[in-house]
Amino acid sequence: GENVEQHPSTLSVQEGDSAVIKCTYSDSASNYFPWYKQELGKRPQLIIDIRSNVGEKKDQRIAVTLNKTAKHFSLHITETQPEDSAVYFCAASINQKLTFGTGTRLTIIP
Amino acid sequence: NAGVTQTPKFQVLKTGQSMTLQCAQDMNHEYMSWYRQDPGMGLRLIHYSVGEGTTAKGEVPDGYNVSRLKKQNFLLGLESAAPSQTSVYFCASKDSLGPFYGYTFGSGTRLTVV
Repeated sequence: GENVEQHPSTLSVQEGDSAVIKCTYSDSASNYFPWYKQELGKRPQLIIDIRSNVGEKKDQRIAVTLNKTAKHFSLHITETQPEDSAVYFCAASINQKLTFGTGTRLTIIP
Repeated sequence: NAGVTQTPKFQVLKTGQSMTLQCAQDMNHEYMSWYRQDPGMGLRLIHYSVGEGTTAKGEVPDGYNVSRLKKQNFLLGLESAAPSQTSVYFCASKDSLGPFYGYTFGSGTRLTVV
């Protein structure tokens, strides 16, 4: 089955700086790559996603890039703010089944 | 429009007891899934359903059973609970418009097996 690796597991950045989280996947049949944000004690919430036929997608301060050849995708958060502190999960989808990475705990330092 | 509703929110079981976790969605979604979340391990797929009356095994199905008798409900059963099943369980659903849409998650059930 699909295997998704996510790095780093923890990340601390100064407020206003950028944060980058990277994921790799194993199955070239994966065609959809969502990113979820989970605040403490809350449910995962979709923040951005990208399809396999797109290389980059941006939504205000967050962007996702996809390199199908290398089978990796990344989340970029610019101008980080305290409310960006959370756990972020990447995922890869084959036939509606989502396989998640193990998560990155992002801490924004004021 | 409540989205995805899970009950109960918290549960403590003794080893060997059985229970059913309930999930209901009011978005007319075809696809529903159950995940468990453990520290450092992300979300792992237990079982999923691509439509009413269908179920399939995910990554970690052992010790669990599911049923999807009605489109809006997806039930997760533990026949004989074990301490290893202590976890937070999330139900999620998505529509059938295509593969390029994300799942919506419920608020979770925190289960402790003692």
